[in-house]
Amino acid sequence: AQSVSQHNHHVILSEAASLELGCNYSYGGTVNLFWYVQYPGQHLQLLLKYFSGDPLVKGIKGFEAEFIKSKFSFNLRKPSVQWSDTAEYFCAVNLGSARQLTFGSGTQLTVLP
Amino acid sequence: DGGITQSPKYLFRKEGQNVTLSCEQNLNHDAMYWYRQDPGQGLRLIYYSQIVNDFQKGDIAEGYSVSREKKESFPLTVTSAQKNPTAFYLCASSIYGKLFFGSGTQLSVL
Repeated sequence: AQSVSQHNHHVILSEAASLELGCNYSYGGTVNLFWYVQYPGQHLQLLLKYFSGDPLVKGIKGFEAEFIKSKFSFNLRKPSVQWSDTAEYFCAVNLGSARQLTFGSGTQLTVLP
Repeated sequence: DGGITQSPKYLFRKEGQNVTLSCEQNLNHDAMYWYRQDPGQGLRLIYYSQIVNDFQKGDIAEGYSVSREKKESFPLTVTSAQKNPTAFYLCASSIYGKLFFGSGTQLSVL
């Protein structure tokens, strides 16, 4: 069965630091990849998604993610975080021929002012 | 083991038929959610419930109904009024703001 791993459970950064959150999946076929964010007290929002094409995907709020097929990874990055980026971040994988969406366990990002 | 169980994994609906998707959790979470995913899109919130006997509409509640009679259960009914029900449906629960997800149900219309 497919699985999604987010190895960092809690990341603490200072404002202006660079961010990289890891996401790895276990499936060798075609995948669609997503990063979602849940801000405190709010519902899930889609940050960005990859279906095909340029493996470097740009999302909202200055986030980007790079799909590296050989590493089965889809890491989320932001060059300079802000206090308002404090949230829970979820990676999700949708296998190409199936509809099932599998989530990672999430990474809590805390940005200190 | 604690977790969220969605059933069935695959469900087929005839035109004009109501169907109910099951979501059960034994995590003792107060909050539960239903999301829908369509091809090429992200998740969209259908309904959510913060506590037993209470629930609120999400962004795309039309054509759906829910109930929350027990803490453990949050079934979603896709009614005949939902004109485009074919989608992947995901249930989630949360505690202290942390989400936990079920494995989803793929609903298709015959």
